[in-house]
Amino acid sequence: AQRVTQPEKLLSVFKGAPVELKCNYSYSGSPELFWYVQYSRQRLQLLLRHISRESIKGFTADLNKGETSFHLKKPFAQEEDSAMYYCALKGYSSASKIIFGSGTRLSIRP
Amino acid sequence: NAGVTQTPKFQVLKTGQSMTLQCAQDMNHNSMYWYRQDPGMGLRLIYYSASEGTTDKGEVPNGYNVSRLNKREFSLRLESAAPSQTSVYFCASISGQATGELFFGEGSRLTVL
Repeated sequence: AQRVTQPEKLLSVFKGAPVELKCNYSYSGSPELFWYVQYSRQRLQLLLRHISRESIKGFTADLNKGETSFHLKKPFAQEEDSAMYYCALKGYSSASKIIFGSGTRLSIRP
Repeated sequence: NAGVTQTPKFQVLKTGQSMTLQCAQDMNHNSMYWYRQDPGMGLRLIYYSASEGTTDKGEVPNGYNVSRLNKREFSLRLESAAPSQTSVYFCASISGQATGELFFGEGSRLTVL
């Protein structure tokens, strides 16, 4: 069964501090992992995907198959990073369902 | 290019009433999804349609029905609304590529009294 767990409902850090949003998954096979972000009054949008191995807005995430994790990291938080972050999992098939974790609200304090 | 369009944006229903949420995408995407968003629960998949003519249950399908009318449109129907279905509903679509990105609508806020 597919499952995505985000253990933190709320994460509050000071501007300039490092950020790590945790995501663990359960899936029998090779999953596609994503991070989506929802800024205030904006649509949910893709932040990054594991297969691209890219850094977006200073965020990175590495897929650790041994620990079944896909944690989102940023070395220096900025106030504009305050948002709701969702980890998502998709099976490696174009016909697969996509499920999300419960989300973590990131609040950056000035 | 509108992307994913949902209607209505807001709706108030009484318990037992029925309604249909409409969703349309103009990106020629194969797969479409319906999610509900609740505080503390995140996004939960209700139904999805991998391609035109197919629909499958997600994590929380009870109380809902869907129709993939054509490649563009995917509707969600509540036959007999219950207060537990008060939520924000999101429609999303994705291209046929395995590593494609989900594109979301703006959401529909439904309140069942």
